[in-house]
Amino acid sequence: DQQVKQNSPSLSVQEGRISILNCDYTNSMFDYFLWYKKYPAEGPTFLISISSIKDKNEDGRFTVFLNKSAKHLSLHIVPSQPGDSAVYFCAASARTGGFKTIFGAGTRLFVKA
Amino acid sequence: DTGVSQDPRHKITKRGQNVTFRCDPISEHNRLYWYRQTLGQGPEFLTYFQNEAQLEKSRLLSDRFSAERPKGSFSTLEIQRTEQGDSAMYLCASSFLGLAGIPGELFFGEGSRLTVL
Repeated sequence: DQQVKQNSPSLSVQEGRISILNCDYTNSMFDYFLWYKKYPAEGPTFLISISSIKDKNEDGRFTVFLNKSAKHLSLHIVPSQPGDSAVYFCAASARTGGFKTIFGAGTRLFVKA
Repeated sequence: DTGVSQDPRHKITKRGQNVTFRCDPISEHNRLYWYRQTLGQGPEFLTYFQNEAQLEKSRLLSDRFSAERPKGSFSTLEIQRTEQGDSAMYLCASSFLGLAGIPGELFFGEGSRLTVL
């Protein structure tokens, strides 16, 4: 069963515009949500996280929004830069699950100059 | 400490052979995870450790897969009697879970790519 879903395999955005990456989840017990970024030939690297008790967390150009009632979160990148082109993974973990981290399939972001 | 390191980076083997991957986590991290990633997919959970204790093993993992973390430091992932379907990138990650129970983010190694011919 796929507990974390990223339904858009790819997204293309013009430099300077906003990138919005979406993620849905099915397990209401998830306590923490994270976004990771992956460049080719490298392991994923942590980008930003949000606890289930919050609905927004911001770090520079990156903002994550959490809508618990809809079991949906999104990552906003403003303004988008060509260096942001990568695969973005949504991930989640639950205290009841020992904080084992479950990943979505990823969305490939292309930022065009 | 330069991060999580994995060895070997690439392994090509014939079907039926055994392979072993090693992961050296960040030294102060008490948690260690193994994931498998295939093309177009996200990291798929395999197993994880808290110190030397293996907390969970994915039910999708056959008995041909075994992982250890002796002394709570480095870890090994062994695949016995490899099959072509085992071809994938095997990722190791580590993190620190404090007494407050707030999980830290995962730090990934660069992965070990397995090709089974």
